[in-house]
Amino acid sequence: DAKTTQPPSMDCAEGRAANLPCNHSTISGNEYVYWYRQIHSQGPQYIIHGLKNNETNEMASLIITEDRKSSTLILPHATLRDTAVYYCIVRPRTQGGKLIFGQGTELSVKP
Amino acid sequence: GAVVSQHPSRVICKSGTSVKIECRSLDFQATTMFWYRQFPKQSLMLMATSNEGSKATYEQGVEKDKFLINHASLTLSTLTVTSAHPEDSSFYICSAISAGTGDQPQHFGDGTRLSIL
Repeated sequence: DAKTTQPPSMDCAEGRAANLPCNHSTISGNEYVYWYRQIHSQGPQYIIHGLKNNETNEMASLIITEDRKSSTLILPHATLRDTAVYYCIVRPRTQGGKLIFGQGTELSVKP
Repeated sequence: GAVVSQHPSRVICKSGTSVKIECRSLDFQATTMFWYRQFPKQSLMLMATSNEGSKATYEQGVEKDKFLINHASLTLSTLTVTSAHPEDSSFYICSAISAGTGDQPQHFGDGTRLSIL
């Protein structure tokens, strides 16, 4: 499975957009990019996923570069409740494909 | 949205006892469930993958006789930590995925914090 690289930590001011980068330079054609977040002492929460097109839902936007070697998760208006560890994971498009978690990015949203 | 329920949320027990953790998919049928453990300040580590009606597939280094997994129905998987010892104390998290096109996201329970005295 392709490996991802994320900055260990980031700060963001409340109300501003949080842009979380992820590098996945060895991604292959049948692998999706998934984003999850984990708030302290809870299970991970699914945010969004994509293959090659940009995606948007009620939580976030996912921007994937044309060569698919990197992506950015955008939280358009970060709130204090968005403080969490954000994981970018590449997963093959096979039924029941497992998720392998890296270290993620610890996002701190500050007032 | 898809909901996964995990029970109990917290358990404290004596060394040598066995502990069972349940993972249920409440509003969808889970063809595959996964079990993870997480130590403080570390990331989630996948322990095993279970498919309904078949034996679980364990990751390298995970003792299958220590961590018994049963996935008897499409909505329930259980993890039993047998003869638990203090080093088994951890945060155990399950996830479930439904049948679909192959890009279905996994949905996670809220975890079980296991403390062995």
